[in-house]
Amino acid sequence: NAGVTQTPKFQVLKTGQSMTLQCAQDMNHEYMSWYRQDPGMGLRLIHYSVGAGITDQGEVPNGYNVSRSTTEDFPLRLLSAAPSQTSVYFCASSGHFGANVLTFGAGSRLTVL
Amino acid sequence: QQPVQSPQAVILREGEDAVINCSSSKALYSVHWYRQKHGEAPVFLMILLKGGEQKGHDKISASFNEKKQQSSLYLTASQLSYSGTYFCGTEMPPGNTGKLIFGQGTTLQVKP
Repeated sequence: NAGVTQTPKFQVLKTGQSMTLQCAQDMNHEYMSWYRQDPGMGLRLIHYSVGAGITDQGEVPNGYNVSRSTTEDFPLRLLSAAPSQTSVYFCASSGHFGANVLTFGAGSRLTVL
Repeated sequence: QQPVQSPQAVILREGEDAVINCSSSKALYSVHWYRQKHGEAPVFLMILLKGGEQKGHDKISASFNEKKQQSSLYLTASQLSYSGTYFCGTEMPPGNTGKLIFGQGTTLQVKP
């Protein structure tokens, strides 16, 4: 049982490049979320999804796109990376009947030069 | 709106106690507590639902005061393994919505 799998673990981008952070879960969870973590700022919600085909914005959605075509996958897209998007990104999933207790992926460290 | 945690940082000696507070300006349905060790992902500690119940996990317990829109995490007789950053999270809007908003975190360092 893998839980929540994020790829890549590390990525360096140049300003203006695009990329996708992948997230997959095998727990049949309805809810999936993306967070970014910056020093002193805690975990800030970027986008979240309550099921396949349904996504919504979190606290800091600008510069990021998401889609959820299947229950298992929830990719996060950066269309034109900026240095302000340098951060550690965590994907998380949870189930409605599990009181929304989050299981986090291992994280992806992104540096934008 | 992010819940507010206090203090921002705590340094303890092994065996000492600590309290971490979490408050919200909005009504709370539940409060989650997570711990994150350096370089790792956050890990769930406990959840408290409205009703003021207190929960425990080993020597870590928490309370939830729905009227005051506050929760507190109590770490008793701290161990070196308690070191890390503690986050409280609340669901916004209140309810089992799948949308969890976290506080800014409290860094706890336990020294021998």
